[in-house]
Amino acid sequence: DSGVTQTPKHLITATGQRVTLRCSPRSGDLSVYWYQQSLDQGLQFLIQYYNGEERAKGNILERFSAQQFPDLHSELNLSSLELGDSALYFCASSVQGANQPQHFGDGTRLSIL
Amino acid sequence: AQTVTQSQPEMSVQEAETVTLSCTYDTSESDYYLFWYKQPPSRQMILVIRQEAYKQQNATENRFSVNFQKAAKSFSLKISDSQLGDAAMYFCAYSNNFNKFYFGSGTKLNVKP
Repeated sequence: DSGVTQTPKHLITATGQRVTLRCSPRSGDLSVYWYQQSLDQGLQFLIQYYNGEERAKGNILERFSAQQFPDLHSELNLSSLELGDSALYFCASSVQGANQPQHFGDGTRLSIL
Repeated sequence: AQTVTQSQPEMSVQEAETVTLSCTYDTSESDYYLFWYKQPPSRQMILVIRQEAYKQQNATENRFSVNFQKAAKSFSLKISDSQLGDAAMYFCAYSNNFNKFYFGSGTKLNVKP
């Protein structure tokens, strides 16, 4: 158990819809990262937050947005969903930044029908 | 832009034998961090080993060790005394001081009894 909690585990929705994925970091971790893993591919870094502020941005689409709240949990919002957005979305947390190990949640499986 | 390349999509090793997974990366930065993550069929992401670029000594974690060649931008993972539980996808990852993470496309490791 990594200590990182992601909900929901599975999400099935239709094209054009909007969904919110939630992540609670490990106790004591201030950084939260979001990744997208499409079928049989590597992880694409989307965005990182540290103590409520955006710190780094990767290949995140404009239709996607995220935020980290004062209690350090984070949400990833995906809107105007397309079939290609079907993927496993991971959240990871670390104490601070890039030099420290990330602890991954179990992921949210998003299926777009 | 930073890229991480894993040139071996799939490898096989006999139980109790040693196997080496390759990873190369491209960067113009001098300070960065390298990681190997394991993803078993359960899809969890598990940190295997971490290397700081400023350290010349190769990192070791039990049966896992790396061969870090900074000039060649190479970061291979050696698994000794392979076990059935080592069967998984292995991802090489790079991060910099700007907190961006880049993952390779992964190597699927099969362990034969």
